[in-house]
Amino acid sequence: EAQVTQNPRYLITVTGKKLTVTCSQNMNHEYMSWYRQDPGLGLRQIYYSMNVEVTDKGDVPEGYKVSRKEKRNFPLILESPSPNQTSLYFCASSLTGRRTTDTQYFGPGTRLTVL
Amino acid sequence: DQQVKQNSPSLSVQEGRISILNCDYTNSMFDYFLWYKKYPAEGPTFLISISSIKDKNEDGRFTVFLNKSAKHLSLHIVPSQPGDSAVYFCAAIGTASKLTFGTGTRLQVTL
Repeated sequence: EAQVTQNPRYLITVTGKKLTVTCSQNMNHEYMSWYRQDPGLGLRQIYYSMNVEVTDKGDVPEGYKVSRKEKRNFPLILESPSPNQTSLYFCASSLTGRRTTDTQYFGPGTRLTVL
Repeated sequence: DQQVKQNSPSLSVQEGRISILNCDYTNSMFDYFLWYKKYPAEGPTFLISISSIKDKNEDGRFTVFLNKSAKHLSLHIVPSQPGDSAVYFCAAIGTASKLTFGTGTRLQVTL
């Protein structure tokens, strides 16, 4: 089954404790992206990757890191989480990311709480 | 600065009737528009899209209308079904791959 998977689905952590949220897709997609969803703000893009070893900032990159060493994986790293990073996070992928018509497929989401 | 706006946070419609969800945008560089549907505990799923060269796109019970001069698009669901109850996000693309989302409208279809 074609899908985007994220782990963990739920995470409660404390300020400053480094964490990684994994994202994997099995569709051989070149493009991958991370979004956060907050009440009243919709989904906002954090980082994206057009292909392996190519990453770039989205609208809200502060406090996050990403890497793209393999085509299928795009982990989101919070080196020193803070309470304002409490949010619902979605990973997405699409075939190329170069065409506006490339549909983005989303993972199920990771609900992160930073105390 | 919210470039894509969904001014109705929620909408309640009776089963069988039409649901109309609205979306306004401010960036004239947007040239492709999408609607995503989201159920609780799931990621958004693509529903329907429209290019800026069209003013209407239809897919079964779902129709999206685009009014470029007004920078407005709407999603019509006819007839509405209980399974349509979800949060609907409008999104726009100006440069390839960069989705800008609205804040979402929660649709409740009642029996």
